[in-house]
Amino acid sequence: DQQVKQNSPSLSVQEGRISILNCDYTNSMFDYFLWYKKYPAEGPTFLISISSIKDKNEDGRFTVFLNKSAKHLSLHIVPSQPGDSAVYFCAASVYGTASKLTFGTGTRLQVTL
Amino acid sequence: DGGITQSPKYLFRKEGQNVTLSCEQNLNHDAMYWYRQDPGQGLRLIYYSQIVNDFQKGDIAEGYSVSREKKESFPLTVTSAQKNPTAFYLCASSREPLAGTETQYFGPGTRLLVL
Repeated sequence: DQQVKQNSPSLSVQEGRISILNCDYTNSMFDYFLWYKKYPAEGPTFLISISSIKDKNEDGRFTVFLNKSAKHLSLHIVPSQPGDSAVYFCAASVYGTASKLTFGTGTRLQVTL
Repeated sequence: DGGITQSPKYLFRKEGQNVTLSCEQNLNHDAMYWYRQDPGQGLRLIYYSQIVNDFQKGDIAEGYSVSREKKESFPLTVTSAQKNPTAFYLCASSREPLAGTETQYFGPGTRLLVL
């Protein structure tokens, strides 16, 4: 039972344009969400997070939007750069559960010149 | 400089053999985690530890064992009972295990292959 879903396995975007990566979840208990970026044969690196008390969080070129009623979050990257090409994982956790993260299956982003 | 180290980068296991993957952190984090990644799948939690000398099973603990004798170290043993051990193994740590909002930081990973 996949509680965190990333339905697009891959996405291709031109350099300078906006990249939008989507994530859906089914567990209404989740109240903290994170995005990680991963290059091949490396560990994921933390990008940005959002708590369920907010609906938007920005950090430079990265913005995460949370729609609790739809159980949906998205990561916007503007403008996209070739170095952004990687696999992006969304993850979710429930407050007070020892920071146990449930990960989605990832979306591979390719930023083309 | 602070971080998480995993060794070795590649590990080969023969049939019936136990192998141990190392994970060390110098971030002074209380909590440590082991995940497994298979192609086309997300990360799945194997074991986690909130404090020294204590650990809990994650979602796929069968065939694995861990120990947490020191705060900075959390080795994972892949036993012969794990029938499909070929995967990319990731270790992570975080500061406040019970906050539910603490970011996990990951090591570079170990790729385990069965001969």
